[in-house]
Formats: sequence, structure tokens, C-alpha cells
Amino acid sequence: KAGVTQTPRYLIKTRGQQVTLSCSPISGHRSVSWYQQTPGQGLQFLFEYFSETQRNKGNFPGRFSGRQFSNSRSEMNVSTLELGDSALYLCASSPGRGHYGYTFGSGTRLTVV
Amino acid sequence: SQELEQSPQSLIVQEGKNLTINCTSSKTLYGLYWYKQKYGEGLIFLMMLQKGGEEKSHEKITAKLDEKKQQSSLHITASQPSHAGIYLCGADDNFGNEKLTFGTGTRLTIIP
Repeated sequence: KAGVTQTPRYLIKTRGQQVTLSCSPISGHRSVSWYQQTPGQGLQFLFEYFSETQRNKGNFPGRFSGRQFSNSRSEMNVSTLELGDSALYLCASSPGRGHYGYTFGSGTRLTVV
Repeated sequence: SQELEQSPQSLIVQEGKNLTINCTSSKTLYGLYWYKQKYGEGLIFLMMLQKGGEEKSHEKITAKLDEKKQQSSLHITASQPSHAGIYLCGADDNFGNEKLTFGTGTRLTIIP
């Protein structure tokens, strides 16, 4: 059974650019969550999608957005990149609402220069 | 919002020794998760605890949930080099709310 797949693994972007990260959940999982991990702030929740609808959102500026497709694959987009956006972005999938547990991908390491 | 405090922040243990990591919540715990992370990589799911008093084990790792104390502990018996990494606790702030709050992590180093 394939795990959660995140692409790309590494990314270097310039300030002001935008970036799109992709996450393919475990087959059959309908919920995808995104997290940002930095040395200073630790792991912080960005947003969660279920059946193409955003159900929860963390305290991040509007430059961070996401979407989910009908096959449950999800993308997150960051526009007008800032140096502080450099982080490891992790996505997690779960079957749906409830305590089913979350499976994380290997992450995308974004470096903004 | 819920906050999770982990202690200690870092731990250096000689191989073969036992160790305990604690996770304390500022609010009632509805679901508590333990993950392990190798530097710069994704999180590996270890255990999920849902009920007060619940205790789960996987290989040499045991986790307990004390609902009254709003605390969970992770205990490793006879530590091995493979146990090295960052241990993170995460919690749902409401039942079924697909949004985890994470602790700051405990960095575990195993010395031979």
C-alpha cells in the first residue's frame, strides 16, 4: 500500500515568486492536512481538506492557499514568497473525521532566497 | 488554543538505558498522537491514545495517557541507536477536528 507522496522533495525559489506543492494521500483517504515546520515555530497547522472542501484553517496569511481534487490529491500554493516561508512542508492524510490517525508524507523542503 | 509542552527538550542516553518523554497539554486531551521524525524527514506514526488510562506498546516503546493530568508519557526500554530522532506529541483539540497541535519535540540522542 503506497504511502503519502509529496512532490517535489526539494525546491529553491526566489523572494516574490509563487510555488505549488503537491500531495497524494493514501488510497481511500479523503482528508488531507498541511503543516509547516520551521526551527523557530515548530510544526504548525496550515489547513485541512475533505472531499474537496476546506474544513479547517490555521493562522497563516492569505498568501497560503490550497485545494483538493476529486481524487483527493491536494495542492498548496504560496504566493509572493518571503524568506520566512522557508520551511519543511508536510502533508498528512487520514480516512476522514474522527480519531483514525494521520499518515505523513516525507515533506517538501522549500528554500526561499 | 491548545498548547503542548514536551520535556525534556533534548535527551542524551547511553545505549541500553531506559528513558521517558513527557507531553503536557493546556487543555483536555481528546486524542494524543506520538510521532518520530528523523531530521528533515516526514513523521513516522508511533501510537495513538484516546482514552484516559490507555496504554499502548510497540516493540520497546510504551505510551500512556493520563487524561486527568492532561499528560502523556512515552517510555523507551533498553534504548537502541535506531531510537534516535525527534519525538513529537500531537493532539486534536476537539473530537474529530482534523487539526493537530504539536509539541515542540524532544531530540533523542543514543550514545554507544
